[in-house]
Amino acid sequence: RKEVEQDPGPFNVPEGATVAFNCTYSNSASQSFFWYRQDCRKEPKLLMSVYSSGNEDGRFTAQLNRASQYISLLIRDSKLSDSATYLCVVTDSGTYKYIFGTGTRLKVLA
Amino acid sequence: DGGITQSPKYLFRKEGQNVTLSCEQNLNHDAMYWYRQDPGQGLRLIYYSQIVNDFQKGDIAEGYSVSREKKESFPLTVTSAQKNPTAFYLCASRTTGQGAYGYTFGSGTRLTVV
Repeated sequence: RKEVEQDPGPFNVPEGATVAFNCTYSNSASQSFFWYRQDCRKEPKLLMSVYSSGNEDGRFTAQLNRASQYISLLIRDSKLSDSATYLCVVTDSGTYKYIFGTGTRLKVLA
Repeated sequence: DGGITQSPKYLFRKEGQNVTLSCEQNLNHDAMYWYRQDPGQGLRLIYYSQIVNDFQKGDIAEGYSVSREKKESFPLTVTSAQKNPTAFYLCASRTTGQGAYGYTFGSGTRLTVV
């Protein structure tokens, strides 16, 4: 089993739609979680951290479920500019090395 | 403005050559990392350093070497022993200390073997 797993997609959604991605992780001792956004042929950029109580940043909501070992990202009112690959990141519990999922590709259609 | 600078943006290597990718940061970050990204795959850790003059192998260190003589700099050498070096190479840094903080990435170097 991979340490961090994501559905590769692509998720094709119309503008204005709500879309959610999940990411599962295998190490129950993982302590920190992030969502990154990566545009085609560019470097990943931090979208948001994921806190135990869940957190929101504008149209984006992140949730953590430690019991089931997954994190989620919800995007409301999708924009064309949201089209990108979304990477789930989990930290190694001892060294804080970051372990990346392979990413979920989102295409928002006009 | 603070950030991470990777150079060059594109690099072409002949078979049997060693090449060095530059990574410089002015964020005063302690930890620095090198990742490799191949199409359809996630980022894989090559080497990392949490303090000057110290570094550790990541998951795919074979055929690569690094140095960390200064806090700001973490160059990666791709040696001729790396059999499939064509990939997108990303350098990242983060501050250390209590808690975990998100990485800041450089804009990457695309290496192609010709």
